Amino acid sequence: EVQLLESGGGVVQPGRSLRLSCAASGFTFSNYGMSWVRQAPGKGLEWVSGINNYGVSTYYAGSVKGRFTISRDNSKNTLYLQMNSLRAEDTALYYCAKILYSNGWYGGAESWGQGTLVTVSS
Amino acid sequence: EIVLTQSPVTLYLSPGERATLSCRASQSVSSNSLAWYQQRPGQAPRLLIYGASSRAIGIPDRISGSGSETDFTLTISRLEPEDFAVYYCQYFGSSMWAFGQGTKVEIK
Repeated sequence: EVQLLESGGGVVQPGRSLRLSCAASGFTFSNYGMSWVRQAPGKGLEWVSGINNYGVSTYYAGSVKGRFTISRDNSKNTLYLQMNSLRAEDTALYYCAKILYSNGWYGGAESWGQGTLVTVSS
Repeated sequence: EIVLTQSPVTLYLSPGERATLSCRASQSVSSNSLAWYQQRPGQAPRLLIYGASSRAIGIPDRISGSGSETDFTLTISRLEPEDFAVYYCQYFGSSMWAFGQGTKVEIK
């Protein structure tokens, strides 16, 4: 059974940094691309970033490009999201998701974690 | 940039009725790149449909997807109590994703 467990969320002041982690199990992590998707309180889904299975190719939404960095450690079955220069509008529940198709980063989000909450507030 | 617009925003229906949800893309997209998700309150989204019409594992056949180019539809033939939720369409491209704003299916 696929399991994705996010951690690292919390309350942070504007302009500060935070790193999220997503521990994966139940599948061959190194075979699948991964993504981060966020959901502001009471709002819809917003794609944040994606990374292919090798960790070589990364993709970002315009709203976070230059501030957020996605990475992965296939030896630890873990996905990361380094978030710098945080803003109030980054406040959201952050989900990690496993891509449907193996190899690369193309496909929908087949499995989702339960999310970790990030609150940016002074 | 591809923008997905879902309609209606809210759909009021009774159990047993048919639900028809629409997703319109701002430009033509490959049907291979269109998915639908269900999100129940307090839960993570769940993949329902990918490739516009293929059901994900464990999804009942009362849920179906169709469409092409700019117009896509999610249909629930007979609403069960667990189907009352928010539904999102998604475009997944080679370097970006986009989600629609969601349609909430509420009990009438």
